[in-house]
Amino acid sequence: ETGVTQSPTHLIKTRGQQVTLRCSSQSGHNTVSWYQQALGQGPQFIFQYYREEENGRGNFPPRFSGLQFPNYSSELNVNALELDDSALYLCASSSPMGTDTQYFGPGTRLTVL
Amino acid sequence: AQTVTQSQPEMSVQEAETVTLSCTYDTSENNYYLFWYKQPPSRQMILVIRQEAYKQQNATENRFSVNFQKAAKSFSLKISDSQLGDTAMYFCASSSMDSNYQLIWGAGTKLIIKP
Repeated sequence: ETGVTQSPTHLIKTRGQQVTLRCSSQSGHNTVSWYQQALGQGPQFIFQYYREEENGRGNFPPRFSGLQFPNYSSELNVNALELDDSALYLCASSSPMGTDTQYFGPGTRLTVL
Repeated sequence: AQTVTQSQPEMSVQEAETVTLSCTYDTSENNYYLFWYKQPPSRQMILVIRQEAYKQQNATENRFSVNFQKAAKSFSLKISDSQLGDTAMYFCASSSMDSNYQLIWGAGTKLIIKP
């Protein structure tokens, strides 16, 4: 059974740029959730995708957007990067309708300069 | 809205000792779930233990057990026979059907196991 994977591991961008982070869900899982974890803090929920549709969103601006593909993998896109977007971005998958436990990938560390 | 509070920023114990991490939560939901996750320096969030609120029996996973006090909205984690590999950040989290099972997290407790 393949676990949740994320790419890239690390990323450095400059303010104003755009970034795409990728996540492959665990085998058999059809729900993907994204979280932002600032240094020294607990994660904050960004949004969740279920069967290619957004299924809940946290308190994040529209420049944070996402996609889920037919194979249940997902992307997180952030436009107009700001310094405060520097964080660890965590992807988690679950099944069936988010009722089960969320299993996390290793995360992507984004640094905005 | 759900909230989760962890009041211990850091704890340290000697190897083989028992340690208890505290967590309190607030929710108006009837059906909810509580979790403890571990985040070692490698950063990957690893599930430690899960509790369904409608179950009165406390969950256990090998050396890890919880003390779930529903009326007091308390959910503490006990680690027995602590090992050096238990050194990590520990996060308490909750989820519920009404919020599409999004996880609401505490601020975390840094646990250091000393040799």
